[in-house]
Amino acid sequence: AQTVTQSQPEMSVQEAETVTLSCTYDTSESNYYLFWYKQPPSRQMILVIRQEAYKQQNATENRFSVNFQKAAKSFSLKISDSQLGDTAMYFCAFMGRVGGNQFYFGTGTSLTVIP
Amino acid sequence: DAGITQSPRHKVTETGTPVTLRCHQTENHRYMYWYRQDPGHGLRLIHYSYGVKDTDKGEVSDGYSVSRSKTEDFLLTLESATSSQTSVYFCAISDWGGGPDTQYFGPGTRLTVL
Repeated sequence: AQTVTQSQPEMSVQEAETVTLSCTYDTSESNYYLFWYKQPPSRQMILVIRQEAYKQQNATENRFSVNFQKAAKSFSLKISDSQLGDTAMYFCAFMGRVGGNQFYFGTGTSLTVIP
Repeated sequence: DAGITQSPRHKVTETGTPVTLRCHQTENHRYMYWYRQDPGHGLRLIHYSYGVKDTDKGEVSDGYSVSRSKTEDFLLTLESATSSQTSVYFCAISDWGGGPDTQYFGPGTRLTVL
């Protein structure tokens, strides 16, 4: 089975500052996808950003960007100009092509944006 | 937002009773999944379906069964609920497409087993 590790259980950042959340994974597959999901207090899981492993270019979505290092099996999320609405739990997820599009999730990082 | 609903949204039940959770989608997506979310564990896959009547086990399938008789509905059944099954349950859907097969999640069901 694939494993996804988020080593930062909790983080905080000042409003308008930049923060980076870490994620590492372990797989023997060469073709896979990586995702970051956000879970605010409402509990709804919201897709933040996704990255295809075969693409060298790092994905970006407005204030959110990733640093994808395939050889190191690292997939960090950078949030720029942090806003109060960014306060949430963030989950890193891995999806390979073996076994029905199964997702493997990390244990999450709780991010608090401080006004 | 993807059209995914879960029912019930909250349920309290007693140990030993059967419980069925329902996931309904309006997106006609092929894949459907059931996860449970517990503190310190993130989301863990219970079962998934890759078509009508086609299902397979996930990481934590013991004590759970599923059924999918229609594309739009995926049922999760706890035959005899135990306190260890107290959790938040999420349904998700995905489909084969031209790009990454993103999973879209329902709003979750909070289940408490007393």
